Amino acid sequence: EIVLTQSPGALSLSPGKRATLSCRASQTISINYLAWYQQKPGQAPRLLIYGASSWATGIPDRFSGSGSGTDFTLTISRLESEDYAVYYCQQYGTFPPTFGGGTKVEIK
Amino acid sequence: EVQLVQPGAEMRKPGESLKISCKGSGYNFRSYWIGWVRQMPGKGLEWMGIIYPGDSDTRYNPSFQGHVTISADKSINTAYLQWGSLRASDTAIYFCARHLGFGTGSTGRLETWGQGTLVTVSS
Repeated sequence: EIVLTQSPGALSLSPGKRATLSCRASQTISINYLAWYQQKPGQAPRLLIYGASSWATGIPDRFSGSGSGTDFTLTISRLESEDYAVYYCQQYGTFPPTFGGGTKVEIK
Repeated sequence: EVQLVQPGAEMRKPGESLKISCKGSGYNFRSYWIGWVRQMPGKGLEWMGIIYPGDSDTRYNPSFQGHVTISADKSINTAYLQWGSLRASDTAIYFCARHLGFGTGSTGRLETWGQGTLVTVSS
């Protein structure tokens, strides 16, 4: 199965700053079938980005996804208070689908 | 509005059986794949398997096959995850999620999630 490694494990940033989260795959992800999810404490995950760079419904454009092959990035252009959460990448092009270990974005 | 509703919590003893549910509303339930995801305490997400309620076609992550059973009743818009014999290590939150884009070469993205069922297995 494809192993996804997310870095850093945690990120401490002030509101208004830019956050850059990385997701590296152990094999090429076919057709960029890579998604990003946000999870807040006590809540279900929420789909942010799919197809490496397409926004899910209702997701603000301060979130953006990029990358291809084995290296992918989620960027939050200007952190707002509601963005502090854990972010997971997931590949869904090779069975079984797998998730990265997550990056926690914390308030500095 | 597309919604998936799950019970909040279940508690069982080791060795007991359990079946948890996921009820869909706001869309044609039988036409979308529904998957299950495990989150152990303080840990990340693990994809367990998926079912197409229209014909009950089911696919399992090999890591979970043989220990859980996924099923669906399209007449009542409900998917299920069940265990025949629970272990303490099954203690986790279990989410159901509607998949979009399932097809050749892709299981699709997890577009709508239920709120999760906390399963606690303890003697």
